[in-house]
Amino acid sequence: ETGVTQSPTHLIKTRGQQVTLRCSSQSGHNTVSWYQQALGQGPQFIFQYYREEENGRGNFPPRFSGLQFPNYSSELNVNALELDDSALYLCASSLEVGTSVFYNEQFFGPGTRLTVL
Amino acid sequence: AQSVTQPDIHITVSEGASLELRCNYSYGATPYLFWYVQSPGQGLQLLLKYFSGDTLVQGIKGFEAEFKRSQSSFNLRKPSVHWSDAAEYFCAVGARQGAQKLVFGQGTRLTINP
Repeated sequence: ETGVTQSPTHLIKTRGQQVTLRCSSQSGHNTVSWYQQALGQGPQFIFQYYREEENGRGNFPPRFSGLQFPNYSSELNVNALELDDSALYLCASSLEVGTSVFYNEQFFGPGTRLTVL
Repeated sequence: AQSVTQPDIHITVSEGASLELRCNYSYGATPYLFWYVQSPGQGLQLLLKYFSGDTLVQGIKGFEAEFKRSQSSFNLRKPSVHWSDAAEYFCAVGARQGAQKLVFGQGTRLTINP
């Protein structure tokens, strides 16, 4: 069974640039969630994708956007980068089996460290 | 809204000593509770989870946690810590508002003295 993978491992950008982070979900999982972890903080939920559509969103501006592909992999795009976007970005996959199951465990990837200069 | 509080930002214990990391949550329904560990520069590894049933939950690496509804707590314990336990520990509550999401506490950094 393949776990959650993310690329790249590290990334350095300058203010105003755009960035794309990638995530491959664990085998058999159809739902991907993205989290931002600033230095010294706990992860914060950005959004979740299920069946290629955004399924819910945290308190992040529209310049944070995402995609999910038919193979359930996902991208996180951030436009107009700001210094405060510097963080570890974590992807988590899970198996959404329907609303009858309240909560499905999420499995995390190793993260992408983004530095904005 | 859901929230998780980890009152201790940093804890130092001696190797071989017992450990308890505190976690308090705020959630209107039956909570789904988790403890994760994060080593420097790494992602999150699940230590244990509570969904229902027995309130004392056993996890990996010798950790356990006890769910106390009356106190809204889910404290993590280990009877004897090892130097390799030095890491950041996060308590989280699973919430569902359309999307299933995890709401994390700020984390507790554990340092082990030899």
